[in-house]
Amino acid sequence: DAGVIQSPRHEVTEMGQEVTLRCKPISGHDYLFWYRQTMMRGLELLIYFNNNVPIDDSGMPEDRFSAKMPNASFSTLKIQPSEPRDSAVYFCASSSPTGALTDTQYFGPGTRLTVL
Amino acid sequence: AQSVTQPDIHITVSEGASLELRCNYSYGATPYLFWYVQSPGQGLQLLLKYFSGDTLVQGIKGFEAEFKRSQSSFNLRKPSVHWSDAAEYFCAVGARGGSYIPTFGRGTSLIVHP
Repeated sequence: DAGVIQSPRHEVTEMGQEVTLRCKPISGHDYLFWYRQTMMRGLELLIYFNNNVPIDDSGMPEDRFSAKMPNASFSTLKIQPSEPRDSAVYFCASSSPTGALTDTQYFGPGTRLTVL
Repeated sequence: AQSVTQPDIHITVSEGASLELRCNYSYGATPYLFWYVQSPGQGLQLLLKYFSGDTLVQGIKGFEAEFKRSQSSFNLRKPSVHWSDAAEYFCAVGARGGSYIPTFGRGTSLIVHP
């Protein structure tokens, strides 16, 4: 399996521009997570989906952030308009909890976003 | 809600020395516990996890961790550190039942001196 795939790996944009980050989860996984990692705040859960449905978006910092999962193999995280404080590494992870056990989250390599 | 604390932001060890990274959690019942490692420029990779049973858990890359309920701890250990172990280490705690979504600690940065 190719693992969780994220694109682009690096994104540099100017303040005010729209940014779209993409994620392809591991096939068969029914949970998908978006995280943001910064030096100041560590690893923050932004939103997660179960079977393509957003379950908890309480971590999304503000209305400029939105996430979609149109099908089981694709998700996007969009920032519009972007601001310098959005600069961070954004990770996508997927997992497939089974029964009473919580499965491992498998992380993608991340997208390093720089907003100038 | 569960929470996890990694009290050490940085740990420096010499290659070949033993290692212990601390993790304390807060949760009303027996939690699920995880250790992840993040190498520079990479995503997080699971080292080991505890769900139930034997409180000493073996993981990949020679790591182990011990769940101590009385101390609410899940410390990560390795008897002999290699230079390639230099990375960021994250402890995570998940609640039983409900969403299973783990909460991550702030991480401990491991520096290995030759």
